Amino acid sequence: NAGVMQNPRHLVRRRGQEARLRCSPMKGHSHVYWYRQLPEEGLKFMVYLQKENIIDESGMPKERFSAEFPKEGPSILRIQQVVRGDSAAYFCASSLQGNTNQPQHFGDGTRLSIL
Amino acid sequence: AQSVTQLGSHVSVSEGALVLLRCNYSSSVPPYLFWYVQYPNQGLQLLLKYTTGATLVKGINGFEAEFKKSETSFHLTKPSAHMSDAAEYFCAVTESINTGTASKLTFGTGTRLQVTL
Repeated sequence: NAGVMQNPRHLVRRRGQEARLRCSPMKGHSHVYWYRQLPEEGLKFMVYLQKENIIDESGMPKERFSAEFPKEGPSILRIQQVVRGDSAAYFCASSLQGNTNQPQHFGDGTRLSIL
Repeated sequence: AQSVTQLGSHVSVSEGALVLLRCNYSSSVPPYLFWYVQYPNQGLQLLLKYTTGATLVKGINGFEAEFKKSETSFHLTKPSAHMSDAAEYFCAVTESINTGTASKLTFGTGTRLQVTL
């Protein structure tokens, strides 16, 4: 499967635990985007990364959330000390370049549930 | 700043009928516009996009959309609905000027299409 791969597909955490969401972009893509989808809402931009660099994190909550895209390996979205309001579907997308006319290709998402 | 408004959170059509999903956008610069489809428990799949050139763009599965600058609209249509078209559809916008930074998409809240027999 050459598409965007996200894992796990479903993740259950208790309040106060940490959640780690992984995203492997399409082959050859070096631009990764994370979006969050709350129930009955559209996707909201969180962060845009290139290899080893955060380009735009204007959509990231100021606390508890962080993202990385190391030189080797997948991109990671990390949520510390999760709360009920973090329950959502988190989608990763990748593109070949950062130009705005390049389509973003989406993974199937990680559904995070907080008990 | 950009924004997208999708009128009608739920649309129901009969199989074989015309599908029309509405999208209006706001952008301070010429926009690039996209329609994505989302099936249950899946990610978003690109249906079509408008960047430059012809204002009527054709996508996959028989869908098309027309960019109308004067109306700031990018409505999605399909002449004849099929049961397999039942899904959620999202309109999205991004800026056309490549600032070298983010190419983030701004999404509408989505329209759930139901197709009945």
